[in-house]
Amino acid sequence: GESVGLHLPTLSVQEGDNSIINCAYSNSASDYFIWYKQESGKGPQFIIDIRSNMDKRQGQRVTVLLNKTVKHLSLQIAATQPGDSAVYFCAENIGQGKLIFGQGTELSVKP
Amino acid sequence: DTGVSQDPRHKITKRGQNVTFRCDPISEHNRLYWYRQTLGQGPEFLTYFQNEAQLEKSRLLSDRFSAERPKGSFSTLEIQRTEQGDSAMYLCASSGTGGRSTDTQYFGPGTRLTVL
Repeated sequence: GESVGLHLPTLSVQEGDNSIINCAYSNSASDYFIWYKQESGKGPQFIIDIRSNMDKRQGQRVTVLLNKTVKHLSLQIAATQPGDSAVYFCAENIGQGKLIFGQGTELSVKP
Repeated sequence: DTGVSQDPRHKITKRGQNVTFRCDPISEHNRLYWYRQTLGQGPEFLTYFQNEAQLEKSRLLSDRFSAERPKGSFSTLEIQRTEQGDSAMYLCASSGTGGRSTDTQYFGPGTRLTVL
């Protein structure tokens, strides 16, 4: 079946270091990918997105890389801060706005 | 606050009771989505609306679940004869004034349902 998965369920980094969160997807037809951040007790918060005609997109302190050859997506967070601690989900749009989410990676930032 | 809002934020009910949740999307957003999220998992798609039309329903949405968006603005999700397995966070998202499927979906804070 179609699935989106993450390689690592947890990631612990030192404050100020860069973080990399990875995601694998299986639907070659997906044309739109999104990273969301979810803090405890809150809904997912949009971070950054990328369309399938791109391989890199940068935001403020975040970069998303898309490798369609191996169906891999990553989120890079520069100079990670304690406020970045949360669960991060990748999601793929498999059509009509229907998003398939991965299981999530919990990012823990040590001061 | 002009984001997506959901009400109530928490609901505790006994098995067999009916519950109804409300979602108010971002103003003028055409699309509205419902998702369910269980602990430790990512959200799972349930259904979505384009204006007032319900265009797709997931297999997760059993006959006990019904969603409406009568005027193309707010939406309600009703669960009849709740079961303990219905305990989850129910999330609403809205997107797009352009009605494109790739418009960014913005999520509300969710309604956490606990069925005793």
